[in-house]
Amino acid sequence: AQSVTQLGSHVSVSEGALVLLRCNYSSSVPPYLFWYVQYPNQGLQLLLKYTSAATLVKGINGFEAEFKKSETSFHLTKPSAHMSDAAEYFCAVSEGSTGTASKLTFGTGTRLQVTL
Amino acid sequence: DTAVSQTPKYLVTQMGNDKSIKCEQNLGHDTMYWYKQDSKKFLKIMFSYNNKELIINETVPNRFSPKSPDKAHLNLHINSLELGDSAVYFCASSPTGGLAGVQETQYFGPGTRLLVL
Repeated sequence: AQSVTQLGSHVSVSEGALVLLRCNYSSSVPPYLFWYVQYPNQGLQLLLKYTSAATLVKGINGFEAEFKKSETSFHLTKPSAHMSDAAEYFCAVSEGSTGTASKLTFGTGTRLQVTL
Repeated sequence: DTAVSQTPKYLVTQMGNDKSIKCEQNLGHDTMYWYKQDSKKFLKIMFSYNNKELIINETVPNRFSPKSPDKAHLNLHINSLELGDSAVYFCASSPTGGLAGVQETQYFGPGTRLLVL
């Protein structure tokens, strides 16, 4: 069975500071990993995804994440936070498709607050 | 152009009523999903359809009945609404559901905020 743990339901950083959102996963097979962002009252937007091609994955809006198998982690980082980054961030894991559908299992989310 | 759209955006109703939420995708995808996001922001898959066929049903009460008239639409009908059904419901789609073992990106709609009074 697959699962995701996001450490820290709420992270606060100053504008211009490093953003680090933590995600650890559990999977019985090599996983596919995703980060989605949800702005207030909006749907989920894909930030980036890991599909085994490269361990360091670059996404939109300056975010990146590194897959570390030994640590079963897929932490999300951004060198310099911007006020517009304030949102809810979800890590998700999948063990791949059955051929007709795939099941994403989400973490509980981390709310990122950016202060002046 | 809207990729995955849902109607209505907001839905306020009384306990015991029956309501439907509609979802449409214009991406040409074969697979569609319904997710529920509760008040603590926890997201959980409810159903998945591939080419109008039910593929995933995650122990959802029988009061929830998805219907897929064609592969571009996946509607969610809820009977006898309960207070605990209050949540945000997200529709999503992915291209083909994926080759076995391959994970495709799922694209999400804007959500339908359901409040049961």
